[in-house]
Amino acid sequence: QLQLQESGPGLVKPSATLSLTCNVSGDSINSVGFYWGWIRQDPGKGLEWIGSIYSTGHTYYHPSLKSRVTMSVDTSKTQFSLQLSSVTAADTAVYYCARHVGLPAPYYFDHWGRGTLVTVSS
Amino acid sequence: SYVLTQPPSVSVAPGQTARITCGGDNIGSKSVHWYQQEPGQAPVLVVHDDSERPSGIPERLSGSNSGNTATLTISRVEAGDEADYYCQVWDSNSDHYVFGTGTKVTVL
Repeated sequence: QLQLQESGPGLVKPSATLSLTCNVSGDSINSVGFYWGWIRQDPGKGLEWIGSIYSTGHTYYHPSLKSRVTMSVDTSKTQFSLQLSSVTAADTAVYYCARHVGLPAPYYFDHWGRGTLVTVSS
Repeated sequence: SYVLTQPPSVSVAPGQTARITCGGDNIGSKSVHWYQQEPGQAPVLVVHDDSERPSGIPERLSGSNSGNTATLTISRVEAGDEADYYCQVWDSNSDHYVFGTGTKVTVL
């Protein structure tokens, strides 16, 4: 049974870099055809996709966040990470990691982590 | 950029049918996926590729997609169907995922 678990600081200061890690268990992060993504949700609001990464390192990023987002994957540790730079209060959200079908084209997210709340505040 | 519009809320009596729409420009040409999110929980995929149900999702949930509107239909609504529902597509013009604005389903 595939499981994803987010980890990282729950509080980040304005202008700092938000860093989160998603640990993958129950399946290989090298599974062919699957990408690993990050989605966030403002408290009480809708879902926003941040970006996705393949085991080879290929990435897709949301156009509006692209300048601030870096994603990486560590296949030996079966985890992938998100860094979001120059954060503001608008980046306060619950952050989810998830797996999605990515080949031959990006499709649906079939497994999600439970999410972690990150608050940006001094 | 591509926009998906959903009604903010839908109310339905138990046993009746709820229809949740997702509007987008020529959305019928895209694959639409639907997620159910209960309060405090992560989203769960309930329909993919317009009308396919993942294992474990009841047949009462069904999807369709044509023209400028995709629809998630919940038949014989139960109290446990009360949740937020989101549609989602991949916008190949700009290579990014788009989620709908979300619909809160209330069971009266």
